[in-house]
Amino acid sequence: QKEVEQNSGPLSVPEGAIASLNCTYSDRGSQSFFWYRQYSGKSPELIMFIYSNGDKEDGRFTAQLNKASQYVSLLIRDSQPSDSATYLCAVNGAAGGATNKLIFGTGTLLAVQP
Amino acid sequence: GAGVSQSPSNKVTEKGKDVELRCDPISGHTALYWYRQRLGQGLEFLIYFQGNSAPDKSGLPSDRFSAERTGESVSTLTIQRTQQEDSAVYLCASSYMLPGQPSNSPLHFGNGTRLTVT
Repeated sequence: QKEVEQNSGPLSVPEGAIASLNCTYSDRGSQSFFWYRQYSGKSPELIMFIYSNGDKEDGRFTAQLNKASQYVSLLIRDSQPSDSATYLCAVNGAAGGATNKLIFGTGTLLAVQP
Repeated sequence: GAGVSQSPSNKVTEKGKDVELRCDPISGHTALYWYRQRLGQGLEFLIYFQGNSAPDKSGLPSDRFSAERTGESVSTLTIQRTQQEDSAVYLCASSYMLPGQPSNSPLHFGNGTRLTVT
């Protein structure tokens, strides 16, 4: 089982719709969860982070975390063509462990159709 | 500079040669990470530094790969006797992290070094 799993997509949504991106992780002790966006040929850039169960909203973006189910998601409301990119889920190591490495999923390609 | 700086931005080398990639993190960032991204693939963890020590180097693919960091400053990733499968973008990232605490500080990435081994 991969440490962080994402559906590779592509996920295609029409402009103005809600895009839902999902991620599961295997380390039950993970503490911090991040969503990065990566445009083709560019480096990843941070979209949101979440540490506690529940929802966290920032503009058109909402991150959702369910530690019991080991599941984190990103919702993008009012999707725009400029949101078309690969979205990477990243999860850190457990607290107190010898490592704090951040493990990335392989990413979900989102395509917003005008 | 304000961001993470990597050099060179592009490197073409012949199979069997050694290469050295450089990363200059954001000033004050204690943690520094190296990742590899092959074309169309996700980010593959290589190694991370807390200060100048490397608590986790489990991602280094072989003994041809090594990395070092001077204090909380520049890091170099060295690949010896390069192979064609080493061709990828090598990304460096830094963050502020307290030792022994879970990482809750986002990573800031450089623009990467695109390595092509011919």
